[in-house]
Amino acid sequence: QLQLQESGPGLVKPSETLSLTCTVSGGSISSSSYYWGWIRQPPGKGLEWIGSIYYSGSTYYNPSLKSRVTISVDTSKNQFSLKLSSVTAADTAVYYCARLVAAAPYYYYMDVWGKGTTVTVSS
Amino acid sequence: SYVLTQPPSVSVAPGQTARITCGGNNIGSKSVHWYQQKPGQAPVLVVYDDSDRPSGIPERFSGPNSGNTATLTISRVEAGDEADYYCQVWDSSSDHPGVVFGGGTKLTVL
Repeated sequence: QLQLQESGPGLVKPSETLSLTCTVSGGSISSSSYYWGWIRQPPGKGLEWIGSIYYSGSTYYNPSLKSRVTISVDTSKNQFSLKLSSVTAADTAVYYCARLVAAAPYYYYMDVWGKGTTVTVSS
Repeated sequence: SYVLTQPPSVSVAPGQTARITCGGNNIGSKSVHWYQQKPGQAPVLVVYDDSDRPSGIPERFSGPNSGNTATLTISRVEAGDEADYYCQVWDSSSDHPGVVFGGGTKLTVL
């Protein structure tokens, strides 16, 4: 059974870079037809897609975050990672990683999610 | 960018049918996916590609999509269905294709 697990610091200082890793177990990150993505949810608010990556390294980013986001993949470790630079309190959220089923170019949806990790931006 | 609009809340009595709408420009031309999220938990996919259900999701969950509105229909609502529900599409129409979520609807079972 495929499982995803987020890891990384729970507290980040303003203006610094948030770094998270998602470890995939029970399946290969190099599987075709799947992308891998990051989604976040600020306290009491809705879901916001951050970006997605294919095992080859091809990426899609949310335009509103694109200038600050880098998503990368390490197929040898079956992991993918998120870096979000110049964080502010507005970046405080639960961060989820997820697998996206891809039927390009028609649709993508998240069929498996990690449990999420809370990241607080504060000095 | 593409916008999805959901009502903030919907209330329904147990055993009745809940309908949660998701509005978007010509959304009927897109595939719509729905997620259920209970407090403190990660979202769970309940409907994909407008009306298909993942393994383990009851037949009570269904979803027509046409025109400018997609609808998640939950038949014979149970107390355990109380949750936030989010619709989602893939917006391929812009210069920056990507995932778009609706704002979410809180379903209250009376």
